[in-house]
Amino acid sequence: EDKVVQSPLSLVVHEGDTVTLNCSYEVTNFRSLLWYKQEKKAPTFLFMLTSSGIEKKSGRLSSILDKKELFSILNITATQTGDSAIYLCVLSGGSYIPTFGRGTSLIVHP
Amino acid sequence: GAGVSQSPSNKVTEKGKDVELRCDPISGHTALYWYRQSLGQGLEFLIYFQGNSAPDKSGLPSDRFSAERTGGSVSTLTIQRTQQEDSAVYLCASSPAVDEETQYFGPGTRLLVL
Repeated sequence: EDKVVQSPLSLVVHEGDTVTLNCSYEVTNFRSLLWYKQEKKAPTFLFMLTSSGIEKKSGRLSSILDKKELFSILNITATQTGDSAIYLCVLSGGSYIPTFGRGTSLIVHP
Repeated sequence: GAGVSQSPSNKVTEKGKDVELRCDPISGHTALYWYRQSLGQGLEFLIYFQGNSAPDKSGLPSDRFSAERTGGSVSTLTIQRTQQEDSAVYLCASSPAVDEETQYFGPGTRLLVL
């Protein structure tokens, strides 16, 4: 049974749309929740969240963690075709073995 | 400086053959991870090295899998007697220290076992 569940599994939108990706988890003995973007093979770092309720922003992307309800969301506003990728959520820092979700595949059509 | 590099980028082999996958982490990074990603799946942890400590091998799926890290830098993942289910992308990541959660990933090796 997956301990980190991402939803939706896939999403198809048009440029300009806003998307919200979800990551819910069962693990509690972790230090950080991280989001990565995987376009071809190598995931690239987006955000690291350690505290509940503090939003992190980078351009059109933002993310927040809710440790009480055990979830995080990643928002992308005004999507572009370059946002097409798999977005991975991972819990890390507790046992030093990162626990990854299966990812959300986002496709942005022009 | 250079990022994490992996070689080969693609490998096609026949069932039963042995393969070696190489990872060069970012210079100075003490932690190194190997993951496997099968089609449509998330990243599956395989093994973790931290400095000169004994590696955490708890994710290796069978005794056909082994890894070593020489001199605290380059790592090699070896798969003996490959099976078709070993086909996947093998990703390596490094981080500056064990308590540094951000990992820097290499481009991966896509392994296909025929």
